[in-house]
Amino acid sequence: NAGVMQNPRHLVRRRGQEARLRCSPMKGHSHVYWYRQLPEEGLKFMVYLQKENIIDESGMPKERFSAEFPKEGPSILRIQQVVRGDSAAYFCASSPRRDEQYFGPGTRLTVT
Amino acid sequence: GIQVEQSPPDLILQEGANSTLRCNFSDSVNNLQWFHQNPWGQLINLFYIPSGTKQNGRLSATTVATERYSLLYISSSQTTDSGVYFCAVGDRGSTLGRLYFGRGTQLTVWP
Repeated sequence: NAGVMQNPRHLVRRRGQEARLRCSPMKGHSHVYWYRQLPEEGLKFMVYLQKENIIDESGMPKERFSAEFPKEGPSILRIQQVVRGDSAAYFCASSPRRDEQYFGPGTRLTVT
Repeated sequence: GIQVEQSPPDLILQEGANSTLRCNFSDSVNNLQWFHQNPWGQLINLFYIPSGTKQNGRLSATTVATERYSLLYISSSQTTDSGVYFCAVGDRGSTLGRLYFGRGTQLTVWP
């Protein structure tokens, strides 16, 4: 059973561009969580999704950030008009039942 | 949200030594996980342990939910154990499942 897949592993964007981060959960997992790791803030929850539904987005910045988990395909975290402060590691986790979460390898976003 | 405190923040050991990492949390939990973040930045699941005791090779963990703490034991440390160890908990008062992370313990094991 393949683990949680994330791509790309590294992403470089210039200020003002868009970043799209993809996450494929483990087979049979319908719960997806996104977390962000900033150097001075540690790991923080961003958003929780199930297929076609955003369940909890209380950790998402109000502007420029959005997430989706369509019926078919991976979950996408989208950051519009990136700024230097968005540089971070973004982790996706999946779970079969809202209990143990399994993390992907992360996407390291660098904004230049 | 739940506050999670880990101690010590840094730990330096020689290969072969044993260590205990602690995680205190501020409220009742329905999920507790220990992770190892390796030098490449990957988060490796160590234990899912909202209560009780588990062992996996040289690692073991105990969670005493009623007293709001968990301990991770590493025996006979190896250089490959180096990295950051995170404790993360889920709020028992919520059905949403988000995890709250501690700031981690940075472990360095010297040969």
